[in-house]
Amino acid sequence: DQQVKQNSPSLSVQEGRISILNCDYTNSMFDYFLWYKKYPAEGPTFLISISSIKDKNEDGRFTVFLNKSAKHLSLHIVPSQPGDSAVYFCAASAQGGADGLTFGKGTHLIIQP
Amino acid sequence: EAQVTQNPRYLITVTGKKLTVTCSQNMNHEYMSWYRQDPGLGLRQIYYSMNVEVTDKGDVPEGYKVSRKEKRNFPLILESPSPNQTSLYFCASSFTGGYGYTFGSGTRLTVV
Repeated sequence: DQQVKQNSPSLSVQEGRISILNCDYTNSMFDYFLWYKKYPAEGPTFLISISSIKDKNEDGRFTVFLNKSAKHLSLHIVPSQPGDSAVYFCAASAQGGADGLTFGKGTHLIIQP
Repeated sequence: EAQVTQNPRYLITVTGKKLTVTCSQNMNHEYMSWYRQDPGLGLRQIYYSMNVEVTDKGDVPEGYKVSRKEKRNFPLILESPSPNQTSLYFCASSFTGGYGYTFGSGTRLTVV
């Protein structure tokens, strides 16, 4: 039973345009959501996060939106740059997350020049 | 530099030969976890630890052991590796638990 779902294995976006990566979750106990970025041969690195008490969090070119009623979150990257090409993982935790994070399967974002 | 260090980075071994992948963090984090990454399956948690001598199973613990005798170290032990444990392994640590983990660079394990 997959609790965090990223239904798009890959996404291709033209440089300069907006990239939108989507994530759905099923566990109502999740109260904190994170996005990680991963390059080949490296570990995942933290990108941005959002608490369930918010519906939006912004950090530079990256914005995460949370729709609790739909159990859906999305990551917007504007404008997309070549260095954004990577695998993006959505992750969630519940009640402080002492038992770690639950990850989606990832979306491979490809920025086309 | 604050980091999570895993060793080795690459390892090829034979079925049944016990091995240990080490993980060390220098950030005084209480929380540590092990994940494996497989194509099409994303990152799945193997084991986690909330503090010294406190460990628990994640989603895919079969065939693995861990120990947490010191705060900084969290080794992953494969007592009798099998080919289905061929994977990319990541260790991670956190000060705040679910509010963000720092990951190591990964260990690519091949069991033949």
